[in-house]
Parts: sequence; C-alpha cells; structure tokens
Amino acid sequence: NAGVMQNPRHLVRRRGQEARLRCSPMKGHSHVYWYRQLPEEGLKFMVYLQKENIIDESGMPKERFSAEFPKEGPSILRIQQVVRGDSAAYFCASSATSGYYNEQFFGPGTRLTVL
Amino acid sequence: GENVEQHPSTLSVQEGDSAVIKCTYSDSASNYFPWYKQELGKRPQLIIDIRSNVGEKKDQRIAVTLNKTAKHFSLHITETQPEDSAVYFCAASRGNSGYALNFGKGTSLLVTP
Repeated sequence: NAGVMQNPRHLVRRRGQEARLRCSPMKGHSHVYWYRQLPEEGLKFMVYLQKENIIDESGMPKERFSAEFPKEGPSILRIQQVVRGDSAAYFCASSATSGYYNEQFFGPGTRLTVL
Repeated sequence: GENVEQHPSTLSVQEGDSAVIKCTYSDSASNYFPWYKQELGKRPQLIIDIRSNVGEKKDQRIAVTLNKTAKHFSLHITETQPEDSAVYFCAASRGNSGYALNFGKGTSLLVTP
C-alpha cells in the first residue's frame, strides 16, 4: 500500500507564474488536507477536502490560491501569480475518515521556490 | 482564533535523560491531539496521539498526557537516544472542520551522546 504521494518534489517558478502541486492520497483515503510550512516554522493548515467537496478552506488565502479534489485523480493545490512569499514546503496529508479514527498520513512535500 | 502554543522551541538533553515538550490550545472543540516527529527534509511522521476521552497514553519510551480542563498536553520521552534528535510538533484538531489540525511551531530536540 503506497503512502501519500506528492509531485513534484521540487518546483521552481518565477514571480507571476502559476504553480500546480499534486497529491495522491493513500489508497482508500477520501480526505485530503493541505498544509504550508515556512522555513523553521510549524505547519499551517490551508484547506481540507473530501472527494469533489471543499470542507474547510479557512486557512487558505482568498486571492491566488485554489484547491480541488476531483472524483478521479489527485488533489491539486494551485497558486496563481506566485510571489516570493509563497516559497515554502507544501505538505498534503490524507486520512481514511474524519471523526474519531482520523490519523493523518503525510506526503513527502513539495518544496516551492519562487525566484 | 484556534492557536496551539508549544514550548520550548529548542531543547538539548544528554543521552539517557528525559525530554518534556508542552503545548496549550485554545479551541475548546478540539478532541484529538497527535504528536509528529520531523527529521530534516523529511515528512512529519506520527509518533503518538491521544483523544479527549483519555488522560494519558504510553508507548514504550514515549508518553503523552492531556488536561482538557486546562487545555494543555505534553509529550514525555524517557531514556533519550541520539536518534530521537528531530523537530517535534504537537497538534490539536480543528473541531468544527472534521479534524484538520492546528500545529504548534515545533520543538527542535537535540540529544547529545
């Protein structure tokens, strides 16, 4: 059973470009969470999705950021018109359910560098 | 807001000593409290978790305690080893959203031989 997969592992973009980050949850998991980690800081919640639904996007900036988790395929975090402050590691996690048994398994992260 | 405060930010202990990391949270709806270990450049990995109906949980050298009244929880590592050196994050569930997590800022633990 493969773990949570993220790609690309490293992404370099110039200011103003778009960044598209992908996350494939563990098999059988239908809940996906995206977190951002700035250098030497903790993980900040961004968005929580179930298949085809955004459950909680309160941690995601209103401008330029969007997320989706379609019925088929990976979850995608999209950042439009990137700025230097978007440089960070972006981790996704998945869980089998919400509620009581909600252990989250993390992917290896995508390290975004904005030049 | 939903904040998780974590202390200390850095901790250095001698091999064999105990290490204690403390966290407080503000969201009274939180009912799930995991601890993650993150080695440099790696993904966070769950090491232990506790749910709100339990006050203490132990797994070999690692234990976690929870005081829901005071809204604080702690990680205890006994008989520390150099391979315990890493950054440790506490987290509390965001009670209203199906249990996404709010994380503390992390504790960098160094265990010296």
